[in-house]
Amino acid sequence: DADVTQTPRNRITKTGKRIMLECSQTKGHDRMYWYRQDPGLGLRLIYYSFDVKDINKGEISDGYSVSRQAQAKFSLSLESAIPNQTALYFCATSSPRTSTDTQYFGPGTRLTVL
Amino acid sequence: GENVGLHLPTLSVQEGDNSIINCAYSNSASDYFIWYKQESGKGPQFIIDIRSNMDKRQGQRVTVLLNKTVKHLSLQIAATQPGDSAVYFCAENIDAGNMLTFGGGTRLMVKP
Repeated sequence: DADVTQTPRNRITKTGKRIMLECSQTKGHDRMYWYRQDPGLGLRLIYYSFDVKDINKGEISDGYSVSRQAQAKFSLSLESAIPNQTALYFCATSSPRTSTDTQYFGPGTRLTVL
Repeated sequence: GENVGLHLPTLSVQEGDNSIINCAYSNSASDYFIWYKQESGKGPQFIIDIRSNMDKRQGQRVTVLLNKTVKHLSLQIAATQPGDSAVYFCAENIDAGNMLTFGGGTRLMVKP
């Protein structure tokens, strides 16, 4: 969905490096989410935000941090990357003002930590 | 965390046949359910949703059935096409809080 974009699309980094993944949306949605997907598994929620400056931990927040400085942007940081953070990362958005609770996903960022 | 293994359940169907993908959800308080399709290298894409006050909802070539008694959700795809090949995830939501819990996914393979 071009309304939700993620950068970079692919990143290879080394253990101990700080990494930031960016998500932008043009859907005008208030709510944004970061998920992690591992091979053969469903998506697991890392952090979510219901509004600017609102930050909430998800199921697997350890080792991650986020920032929501603007409605359209939600960034995910790995302060000190480790190999088991190698995964696909997806950003998603939703709005309580729509008729559904559907979340709309970005194309994903493939992160490899060596 | 979850450890359901590296191998997704796989459904292999012939092109033109109907496909049925099943999902067992965990929370009897869930009141909203979504099916997503994820093609290789892409993010999950919304297919169809259903609220708990319904037991069936139809879209274009897709139907979702909800059985709350046994906490079971299914996605039926009519006249399956090669472009339907993907991983399909169900997700459940409680109390319209926008917090989704995802199932592990089923891989659909369509044979020409």
